[in-house]
Amino acid sequence: AAGVIQSPRHLIKEKRETATLKCYPIPRHDTVYWYQQGPGQDPQFLISFYEKMQSDKGSIPDRFSAQQFSDYHSELNMSSLELGDSALYFCASRSPGGGRGGNEQFFGPGTRLTVL
Amino acid sequence: RKEVEQDPGPFNVPEGATVAFNCTYSNSASQSFFWYRQDCRKEPKLLMSVYSSGNEDGRFTAQLNRASQYISLLIRDSKLSDSATYLCVVSIIGGYNKLIFGAGTRLAVHP
Repeated sequence: AAGVIQSPRHLIKEKRETATLKCYPIPRHDTVYWYQQGPGQDPQFLISFYEKMQSDKGSIPDRFSAQQFSDYHSELNMSSLELGDSALYFCASRSPGGGRGGNEQFFGPGTRLTVL
Repeated sequence: RKEVEQDPGPFNVPEGATVAFNCTYSNSASQSFFWYRQDCRKEPKLLMSVYSSGNEDGRFTAQLNRASQYISLLIRDSKLSDSATYLCVVSIIGGYNKLIFGAGTRLAVHP
């Protein structure tokens, strides 16, 4: 079965540079979530989109922005990168019905961002 | 205090053992409950949703007690391949379904 696709899988940037992470949800999933997982930490919610509109916002820095496009893929744009932005960034998608559990989210393999 | 609290672990158990993980959540508006497993440097993978009536999937049994705001996961007949971090996860009514994760409990199954 098709899964969530994220690109790139690994990214190395210098401080103050910009980065763009891409997420392609499972086909027919209409909601996308972005999570950040720092070393030794649990995933933290950043932002979500439902039907191409931002639906919720978490602990996302003002330096970051995101959007969901007409084909439901999403991009997370990160500017003025800082050392502390080094983390795994996961995208998750959710089907319209949420699955039997009501809110089952399926995660992509993540993008590992390293800021030097 | 985290919204979702889990046993700190790590749990080191021999193959074939039964192991139980506990989790408590603080927000009474929590509506959906899950266990995810995460292998090192990999994405969280949905292990099972947790229902009020309790549910079982093979060697895995999950229980939910809404009154006590408590969730559990029981793994029977542990396999080496069960070694991973187990994340207790909730989502909240009105929270647009964002997931809130516990810190995870590491399980190491040894021969």
